[in-house]
Amino acid sequence: DTAVSQTPKYLVTQMGNDKSIKCEQNLGHDTMYWYKQDSKKFLKIMFSYNNKELIINETVPNRFSPKSPDKAHLNLHINSLELGDSAVYFCASSLGPAGGNTEAFFGQGTRLTVV
Amino acid sequence: SQQGEEDPQALSIQEGENATMNCSYKTSINNLQWYRQNSGRGLVHLILIRSNEREKHSGRLRVTLDTSKKSSSLLITASRAADTASYFCATDLFQGKLIFGQGTELSVKP
Repeated sequence: DTAVSQTPKYLVTQMGNDKSIKCEQNLGHDTMYWYKQDSKKFLKIMFSYNNKELIINETVPNRFSPKSPDKAHLNLHINSLELGDSAVYFCASSLGPAGGNTEAFFGQGTRLTVV
Repeated sequence: SQQGEEDPQALSIQEGENATMNCSYKTSINNLQWYRQNSGRGLVHLILIRSNEREKHSGRLRVTLDTSKKSSSLLITASRAADTASYFCATDLFQGKLIFGQGTELSVKP
């Protein structure tokens, strides 16, 4: 049973399109995250939600909009895709906000390629 | 500039040897965590060390933390080919952020 699952695993799309990536966790965790990993493997935090409320928004362009319908789901919608958005996007979850000495569980990643 | 920086960026060793990776950070932390990423996969948590701890062990892993130097090291003893992966340190900040370093790519040759 996958703890943190994200779909799709691969996404190839043209510049200017709008796309969504879905994430679900079945761990009962309160906190969920989106990270972006670039071609040099640098992982950058984008958003963090705790119990459906946004707690971290790391100067991500407005084209990126997270949505958390409930605490088990955190979806990422991206408008007007640009070439520079190409990366691997990871969803993660943890028991509580990151200040609570808890580990994060990661999904398998979504490789987004904008052409 | 980044919160966590890792050294070396790449490490190649023979099976059976020990591998040591270092992580430096800039601000006060709640805890520091190490993760492993196999090629094309998500990150997997290895070990967490709290800011008031100095050393922690888990199987073949040994982590140290020196808060005065703002640095940590991960030692993998008796490495195996299956340990080949990227290893990341992550600092858990009081502001509620888990910030990752750029990682060390470890290659263990059989």
